[in-house]
Amino acid sequence: EVQLVESGGGLVKPGGSLRLSCAASGFTFSSYSMTWLRQAPGKGPEWVSTISSSSRSIYYADSVKGRFTISRDYSKNSLHLQMNSLGAEDTAVYYCARDEGRFPFLHWGQGTLVTVSS
Amino acid sequence: VLTQSPGTLSLSPGERATLSCRVSQTVTSSYLAWYQQKPGQAPRLLIYGASNRATGIPDRFSGGGSGTDFTLTISRLEPEDFAVYYCQQYVRSPWTFGQGTKVEIK
Repeated sequence: EVQLVESGGGLVKPGGSLRLSCAASGFTFSSYSMTWLRQAPGKGPEWVSTISSSSRSIYYADSVKGRFTISRDYSKNSLHLQMNSLGAEDTAVYYCARDEGRFPFLHWGQGTLVTVSS
Repeated sequence: VLTQSPGTLSLSPGERATLSCRVSQTVTSSYLAWYQQKPGQAPRLLIYGASNRATGIPDRFSGGGSGTDFTLTISRLEPEDFAVYYCQQYVRSPWTFGQGTKVEIK
């Protein structure tokens, strides 16, 4: 069974940083691209970033480019999102998801809440 | 841009629900999905390719439409169907979602 478990969320002040993690199990982690999405309160989900299975290709939404960095650790089957220069607009539940290529997101984690507030 | 309507649908159990998703650019039917989300949970994939039910999804859920107009129909609402529903296009990067339709108990 595919399992994705996010951690690392919390309350951070504007301009601060946070590092999210996603522990993956139940599938061959190195065979899949992985994606972070987020969902602001009362809004639909928003794609944030994707890293390819080999880590050679990385993509970011314009809204986070230059501030967020996605990475993965094959030895620990984990996905990470380093978030810097956080602003109120980054307040959201952050989900990791297994990327299915040209197919919708079938496997999501339970999410971790990031709140940016002074 | 994906525009969902109505914003809220107030219905009783047993009634039929019809949700709409309009896309600003033509989406090949193969690349339109619907999700269900309950409070505190991640979205759950219901429909992919506009009309194909994901594994384990009851047949009271059906998807249709083409081009720029798509629908999700729940033939007879069960108590567990009251939730928020999102459409998503995955034909053009970045994948984008609608703002959601809440189906609430009348």
